[in-house]
Amino acid sequence: DIQMTQSPSSLSASVGDRVTITCRASQGISNYLAWFQQKPGKAPKSLIFAASSLQSGVSSKFSGSGSGTDFTLTISSLQPDDFATYYCLYYKSYPFTFGQGTRLEIK
Amino acid sequence: EVQLVESGGGLVQPGGSLRLSCAASGFTFDNSAMSWVRQAPGMGLEWVSTITDSGGSTYYADSVKGRFTISRDSSKNTLYLQMNSLRAEDTAVYYCAKLLNYWGQGTLVTVSS
Repeated sequence: DIQMTQSPSSLSASVGDRVTITCRASQGISNYLAWFQQKPGKAPKSLIFAASSLQSGVSSKFSGSGSGTDFTLTISSLQPDDFATYYCLYYKSYPFTFGQGTRLEIK
Repeated sequence: EVQLVESGGGLVQPGGSLRLSCAASGFTFDNSAMSWVRQAPGMGLEWVSTITDSGGSTYYADSVKGRFTISRDSSKNTLYLQMNSLRAEDTAVYYCAKLLNYWGQGTLVTVSS
């Protein structure tokens, strides 16, 4: 099974900052990687699929990159609404696997 | 407007059974693979199961294989998760999802005596 290692597990940043979250696959997964945002008590929201494709309606401040084993989610110009937990998801073949999550907190 | 509305959660004793339902609307359910994802209290997301658009293939996490069964009824636009032999570690919010697009708000399953 593919393992997804997400880092960091938590991150403190200020409004206006740019941050990057990383997801590493235990073996190559091409671009079968998605990113989600989750706020406390709410369902996850899809941000990016196919490693770098932005979901319809999602702000262009979110961007994804990578292929193979190393992937990044970058969030530019952080606003208060962006402070949440972010997850990556591998979905090339079963079993699908989520990363452990990155909690983005206000500094 | 897309809606995924889960129901059927609740408190159940260890070893018991529960069936979750997810009513879908606002998108072409027949053409969509559907999944269940769960989240234990204070923990991360865990993929549980997926069923293909036709219902012809199903896939499960090792943690639930042999105990959970995913199914769908296209005439009712509804996804199901039959959960048997429940354990304390199955306690979680269960989300129904068209994984890369839409998620329901979740239903809480608590397994406790």
